Amino acid sequence: DIQMTQSPSSLSASVGDRVTITCRASQSIASYLNWYQQKPGKAPNLLIYDASILYSGVPSRFGGSGSGTDFTLTISSLQPEDFATYYCQQTYNTPPYTFGQGTKLEIK
Amino acid sequence: QVTLRESGPALVKPTQTLTLTCTFSGFSLSTSGMCVNWIRQPPGKALEWLARIDWDDDENYNTSLKTRLTISKDTSKNQVVLRMTNMDPVDTATYYCARSRMAYNWFDSWGQGTLVTVSS
Repeated sequence: DIQMTQSPSSLSASVGDRVTITCRASQSIASYLNWYQQKPGKAPNLLIYDASILYSGVPSRFGGSGSGTDFTLTISSLQPEDFATYYCQQTYNTPPYTFGQGTKLEIK
Repeated sequence: QVTLRESGPALVKPTQTLTLTCTFSGFSLSTSGMCVNWIRQPPGKALEWLARIDWDDDENYNTSLKTRLTISKDTSKNQVVLRMTNMDPVDTATYYCARSRMAYNWFDSWGQGTLVTVSS
């Protein structure tokens, strides 16, 4: 199975900061990488698919990049509602589809 | 509007079999390319993909759990059922169902989740 490793596991930042979260796959997954945001007690919400395409309704301050094994999620200017946990997920080829261990973004 | 809702027991005993139902609306699992997935999340931990069933009845399972999992669908009822045998306290988690499509594979709609506790 393809393993996904996110870093950091937690991150403290302030409103207005630019933050970057990275995700590394154990083998090449082309651009089959998705990012989700999860708030406490809620289901995850899709933010970005195919590594860099913003899902409908997602603010433009969110951006994704990468291909192969290394990917990043960037939030250009943190807003109060962005404090949450973020997960990457690979959907390369056939299942199983694996998630990263998550990055908890906290208010500094 | 696509909606999914998980249902099932909140508490199961060790060694029992868990049966969860995902009831959905806004799409049909008889439509080519449609898929429904199950994902779980132990308290305070990461998401774990469990299984997927496709419009054409193809099934895929988590490698580590495949001997314990069975996924099935009732297209006429718009339901997908997940069965997990030999439940253990480590299986305590919130269980989610989510839709995906073969052409895309990302999970664009999720249920709200159902917490299952395994305890005697």
